[in-house]
Amino acid sequence: SQQGEEDPQALSIQEGENATMNCSYKTSINNLQWYRQNSGRGLVHLILIRSNEREKHSGRLRVTLDTSKKSSSLLITASRAADTASYFCATDANTGNQFYFGTGTSLTVIP
Amino acid sequence: DAGVIQSPRHEVTEMGQEVTLRCKPISGHDYLFWYRQTMMRGLELLIYFNNNVPIDDSGMPEDRFSAKMPNASFSTLKIQPSEPRDSAVYFCATGFLREKLFFGSGTQLSVL
Repeated sequence: SQQGEEDPQALSIQEGENATMNCSYKTSINNLQWYRQNSGRGLVHLILIRSNEREKHSGRLRVTLDTSKKSSSLLITASRAADTASYFCATDANTGNQFYFGTGTSLTVIP
Repeated sequence: DAGVIQSPRHEVTEMGQEVTLRCKPISGHDYLFWYRQTMMRGLELLIYFNNNVPIDDSGMPEDRFSAKMPNASFSTLKIQPSEPRDSAVYFCATGFLREKLFFGSGTQLSVL
């Protein structure tokens, strides 16, 4: 399978703390994306990082990419209760336009 | 734009029945993807289209599954006959080449 894997599977933190999630993947990529999914809803795109980039920021989100280790991390700073959701990484195939999603990290932010 | 629109939102059917899931993509997006989400297997890519043409259907689990995109505004995923193990949430997503995907709200399918 080309699916990535997120780590940890579940994470519970207090509001205001930082949350870090990791993603590992198996094959060469063009870009890696992070998505959020609230319970019972579709996935929402958060951030895209290309294979020639090492770090990217968007508001309270910081994403890093290490292509030599085939891994990425998502950092959410100053977490809020509204950040409670599942977070997925998605990698594209080196050829074609398929996107493969990881297994997800379930984040709970306790008010 | 209203985003990706999927229907129905929920579908309950009996084993052996035909099920048709529908998707209206965001206007202008030239890629359309069908995903299936279950607790056990996560998000699985079933098939994707480019400019209404199926490009990769290697994720379609069996011949019971078929997908069509007759025009740029509409796609269907059909399961015939349905089985209890097909119970899942089915998502349609659209976008451009190697860019972010926009997901619909999904169809929750229960096959009894």
